[in-house]
Amino acid sequence: DTEVTQTPKHLVMGMTNKKSLKCEQHMGHRAMYWYKQKAKKPPELMFVYSYEKLSINESVPSRFSPECPNSSLLNLHLHALQPEDSALYLCASSRSAGEQYFGPGTRLTVT
Amino acid sequence: KQEVTQIPAALSVPEGENLVLNCSFTDSAIYNLQWFRQDPGKGLTSLLLIQSSQREQTSGRLNASLDKSSGRSTLYIAASQPGDSATYLCAPTRAGGGADGLTFGKGTHLIIQP
Repeated sequence: DTEVTQTPKHLVMGMTNKKSLKCEQHMGHRAMYWYKQKAKKPPELMFVYSYEKLSINESVPSRFSPECPNSSLLNLHLHALQPEDSALYLCASSRSAGEQYFGPGTRLTVT
Repeated sequence: KQEVTQIPAALSVPEGENLVLNCSFTDSAIYNLQWFRQDPGKGLTSLLLIQSSQREQTSGRLNASLDKSSGRSTLYIAASQPGDSATYLCAPTRAGGGADGLTFGKGTHLIIQP
């Protein structure tokens, strides 16, 4: 099984809302990632969790907050987002520096 | 900082043709390189992974080569089909032994005409 699941598939939220994106994998991978992809652009790395240790892309604003409750789950908490944060949010996992497997993404619209 | 360039940016050909997609990267200290395809609005599907010690990798009609010293990889698609229409992305992984985010090229948008 090489599946990474993401929920929800679509999310519409206002700028004052708080919401969370969820990602799950059962491949025994110890590294999980969040990427942001704007239309017609390649994915850009936001966060990496490797063995539950967080690495941050310093350009990511604090209104995005990752959480890794265990090695199979990765959440992305959203608060006070801006319309320019509307994008496809992709989760991936890997066995350390090996092949990365991506989920189907969450399409986020901020109104 | 790794920079990845993909050429061509877009390609439209009739089905049946053999295709070559190019990827170049500035930092040759890589651990591996992945090729992905992405359908509109969807996630990324991993096509091939080439380890830095390998020269090429094959899966069905796809063949990817890697020349780490020159910072280049190519994806060869044989006998193209309309179902191959998608955006193709390459991404090298930085050497270092640990998990690292991928740096993507801007992709090649491929259209195979029936």
